Amino acid sequence: KQEVTQIPAALSVPEGENLVLNCSFTDSAIYNLQWFRQDPGKGLTSLLLIQSSQREQTSGRLNASLDKSSGRSTLYIAASQPGDSATYLCAVRAGANSKLTFGKGITLSVRP
Amino acid sequence: GAGVSQSPSNKVTEKGKDVELRCDPISGHTALYWYRQSLGQGLEFLIYFQGNSAPDKSGLPSDRFSAERTGGSVSTLTIQRTQQEDSAVYLCASSLTLALSSYEQYFGPGTRLTVT
Repeated sequence: KQEVTQIPAALSVPEGENLVLNCSFTDSAIYNLQWFRQDPGKGLTSLLLIQSSQREQTSGRLNASLDKSSGRSTLYIAASQPGDSATYLCAVRAGANSKLTFGKGITLSVRP
Repeated sequence: GAGVSQSPSNKVTEKGKDVELRCDPISGHTALYWYRQSLGQGLEFLIYFQGNSAPDKSGLPSDRFSAERTGGSVSTLTIQRTQQEDSAVYLCASSLTLALSSYEQYFGPGTRLTVT
């Protein structure tokens, strides 16, 4: 059974800091991995999707990497801003139409 | 174009009552997923539809939970005889299932269910 872990559960950093959010998964046979952002009381916004054959994806200040063999992904946020404060969720799927298996998320607070 | 929509956005019901939650996927998306997000449990998969059929119902927690999808579009999740532990945010997602697409799932805003 696939398990996804995100540690720590919460993180507080000062504005402007570069930071890395970690995600690990137990079964390396994944189809793709997605990083999501969730604001309080809101749904999920997809940030980046990495296919199993890819090593990284970039969007603006965000960069996500994938090391499938070791079961790890990282989300790098450059020059963090207070508006980045949210919960960041990592999710993997085993096949094209398979369900997503989520980690419990990391709640990020960026202090002005 | 329009994203995934869900209704109602909030639902408060008394224990023992039945509730229906609705999901309207993105037009043209043949795959539809229901998830549940509760405190302490994180986001859990409930059921997956491909068209009108449900090849994966493995996440439904009990026989009080059922879902259907008609016309390959709108889906309804029904919870019978609600219990307090059913209180959660129910999220719906849809995706394209075309070869060479990313099969990325797009999520709706969710329905917050509170059972009193």
